[in-house]
Amino acid sequence: EADIYQTPRYLVIGTGKKITLECSQTMGHDKMYWYQQDPGMELHLIHYSYGVNSTEKGDLSSESTVSRIRTEHFPLTLESARPSHTSQYLCASSESFGVGTEAFFGQGTRLTVV
Amino acid sequence: DQQVKQNSPSLSVQEGRISILNCDYTNSMFDYFLWYKKYPAEGPTFLISISSIKDKNEDGRFTVFLNKSAKHLSLHIVPSQPGDSAVYFCAASDWRGSTLGRLYFGRGTQLTVWP
Repeated sequence: EADIYQTPRYLVIGTGKKITLECSQTMGHDKMYWYQQDPGMELHLIHYSYGVNSTEKGDLSSESTVSRIRTEHFPLTLESARPSHTSQYLCASSESFGVGTEAFFGQGTRLTVV
Repeated sequence: DQQVKQNSPSLSVQEGRISILNCDYTNSMFDYFLWYKKYPAEGPTFLISISSIKDKNEDGRFTVFLNKSAKHLSLHIVPSQPGDSAVYFCAASDWRGSTLGRLYFGRGTQLTVWP
């Protein structure tokens, strides 16, 4: 069983509020990712990190920001939430080296901005 | 531009029968392929994978087939069970390239197994 945790599981928040989605893993993985997924659509990579102090933007443009100060922690922040940010946000991690390692996902955060 | 495509959004199969989920990809640099299973409001869970050096990988009721020349892979579930009902995502990665193993996902296929 994967040891990667996301909080909160569900969040309903008003427009303009600042939010932080938490993601922690206890597997010691260097690589961590944030994906965004809407029903019936593929998972879109919005941020990733190869290790501490490393962050990169993914394919899907996002107004969110991330930080990686500790290996196990990869929070995502929205400074000013909007209804267009309503989606499911999935955090994942994987080992650094070698072909054939899968990414492990957290349970996700379902964000609704009203 | 989608690099991983699952053209069937849904599949309905009777319990005990075979479920076949299909996936196509466009990037010839992909060298590792995975299937994930996802329930509503949950994160995807890893199911089975295959390296590009193989054409088949089997794990219990689940078998993945890879046809590199056609850039096509499929997941077979035999026999199908009601608990298999979920969305199945196909994913691919390029470990030798600059993306260092990040995953590209298809849009998923909703499998429904009825009694």
